Amino acid sequence: DGGITQSPKYLFRKEGQNVTLSCEQNLNHDAMYWYRQDPGQGLRLIYYSQIVNDFQKGDIAEGYSVSREKKESFPLTVTSAQKNPTAFYLCASSLRGGANQPQHFGDGTRLSIL
Amino acid sequence: GENVEQHPSTLSVQEGDSAVIKCTYSDSASNYFPWYKQELGKRPQLIIDIRSNVGEKKDQRIAVTLNKTAKHFSLHITETQPEDSAVYFCAASEASNAGGTSYGKLTFGQGTILTVHP
Repeated sequence: DGGITQSPKYLFRKEGQNVTLSCEQNLNHDAMYWYRQDPGQGLRLIYYSQIVNDFQKGDIAEGYSVSREKKESFPLTVTSAQKNPTAFYLCASSLRGGANQPQHFGDGTRLSIL
Repeated sequence: GENVEQHPSTLSVQEGDSAVIKCTYSDSASNYFPWYKQELGKRPQLIIDIRSNVGEKKDQRIAVTLNKTAKHFSLHITETQPEDSAVYFCAASEASNAGGTSYGKLTFGQGTILTVHP
């Protein structure tokens, strides 16, 4: 899955600060996703995008925002409204959107509060 | 929405034994069921998946079975090796519609920590 690049690998956020996590893919995949993973828990969907200029809220979208201006890029902004942002954030992509598409993940960004 | 339950949360086996992880799902419309393996601090990797028109799928030492009537699916690993030690996640895919467009999203189970002792 070397085609999905997340940066930075580690990120620290100060109180009241917005931070943006980068996700880039060169797989020519239409769909992209953001998940949050907390210790000992499964992955929870934050936002997903099936095509450029379109995105949908997942199960835990509050305090987060995204954009999809280019097919290969799907940045996630963790806003100051997200009161518990410490987690491991994973970006994924699939060839197409839809309910039966394999998703492939990047290496993740670990976000912590200063 | 979809709800996925995964059991057990931890599983310890001896090298060479088999391991079985089970998941149940709630939405009968779900039609795609992938399994991911995640090593500590790394990305989840897709190891096998099954679609609802198939009851069983095998790939070397790994197999997945699906019972649509009971809404459960299982991962079977035979001849386990220490390098199989990891966290395993199941997922179920549901379709949703918004503005006339069909979207798909995965709902993940809580994960199973598999430890294979040499």
